[in-house]
Amino acid sequence: GEDVEQSLFLSVREGDSSVINCTYTDSSSTYLYWYKQEPGAGLQLLTYIFSNMDMKQDQRLTVLLNKKDKHLSLRIADTQTGDSAIYFCAESSYGNNRLAFGKGNQVVVIP
Amino acid sequence: GAGVSQSPSNKVTEKGKDVELRCDPISGHTALYWYRQSLGQGLEFLIYFQGNSAPDKSGLPSDRFSAERTGGSVSTLTIQRTQQEDSAVYLCASSLGGALNTIYFGEGSWLTVV
Repeated sequence: GEDVEQSLFLSVREGDSSVINCTYTDSSSTYLYWYKQEPGAGLQLLTYIFSNMDMKQDQRLTVLLNKKDKHLSLRIADTQTGDSAIYFCAESSYGNNRLAFGKGNQVVVIP
Repeated sequence: GAGVSQSPSNKVTEKGKDVELRCDPISGHTALYWYRQSLGQGLEFLIYFQGNSAPDKSGLPSDRFSAERTGGSVSTLTIQRTQQEDSAVYLCASSLGGALNTIYFGEGSWLTVV
């Protein structure tokens, strides 16, 4: 079954790196995603990674995937105040097009 | 349109009244989803439409909730006899479907039941 777990809150100083973690249980996951939700807004797709990859880098974002431990992380380099948001990880799997989301991790960037 | 459009953006209703929430997906997207986000909670799947297939209604919390998708495009989520616990943000999303299922969300409809 699908179960995605995230920690709840992270505070980080502007300019530092922030790391958000997520664990999932579905071994048949095909893609894993990171979404960002700013206050009062919908969810915005940030990046995704295919399940046979270990790492994906996209500008300030680095996604690491440990399939053995079913652990996904998102590293944001040089965190900016505009990065303050709730970050959700999600997974999809073959034969199940609906995404399973974690509860989200709120990131607060301190100037 | 360019993105997923939802209306109304905000709705305050009295307990016991019915409400309808509308979603206009991205043109050409065959898959449409409704999720619910309660305060401090993650996203709760409600219902999924894919093309002409029977919808996946497994996430609807009670028979007071229903949704339809007319002509494979616009969808309406209906909540009958609203309760205070129905207060939440109702998010609609659409996608092309498939294994790489990058889904795109609307801004949400904020429902408050008083």
